[in-house]
Amino acid sequence: DADVTQTPRNRITKTGKRIMLECSQTKGHDRMYWYRQDPGLGLRLIYYSFDVKDINKGEISDGYSVSRQAQAKFSLSLESAIPNQTALYFCATSDTYRDFEQFFGPGTRLTVL
Amino acid sequence: GNSVTQMEGPVTLSEEAFLTINCTYTATGYPSLFWYVQYPGEGLQLLLKATKADDKGSNKGFEATYRKETTSFHLEKGSVQVSDSAVYFCANAGGTSYGKLTFGQGTILTVHP
Repeated sequence: DADVTQTPRNRITKTGKRIMLECSQTKGHDRMYWYRQDPGLGLRLIYYSFDVKDINKGEISDGYSVSRQAQAKFSLSLESAIPNQTALYFCATSDTYRDFEQFFGPGTRLTVL
Repeated sequence: GNSVTQMEGPVTLSEEAFLTINCTYTATGYPSLFWYVQYPGEGLQLLLKATKADDKGSNKGFEATYRKETTSFHLEKGSVQVSDSAVYFCANAGGTSYGKLTFGQGTILTVHP
């Protein structure tokens, strides 16, 4: 079974809709991250959480919010989706004491029409 | 903050050719350095890492050496295979960007038989 899972894997929605992407992990890691991937831009950090009570903005947090419901769950929300949020979204986890090695989920492909 | 610059792609090689993908970084302090690989339709996975100057990371025939004097972490493989076709990301973490990975833009590698 996958250690980091993301749901849904694919989603098509319309402008203005609220969307939630979910991430769960069974690795027991305390740190979780949300990235978006766009062609030619690599991965950019949206939000990160070092523990349940610690939430931090990344470099592109505008238009996004997150919730860390438990150590194993980290959700990303788009309150009012817009077309330029069409991208591939990845969740990742890491352990504080393992040199920042991150483990990625399979990704969610989001299309906003 | 940290930054990573990778050679632009795409890179197209014949099977058994020598591969080099250049990566340079900026960071305050002493970051850890990583190469991640993304196979088609999948999330990123760690390929190799180095945590201090002059360390060599290696895995699956790939190697990269942490060069502090040139702030580089170039990826090499002596003989590529078709199955190496993927997107390769250089990343750094640590220093003053504690706990966060900074990715390069990715290099697409295609290997032909």
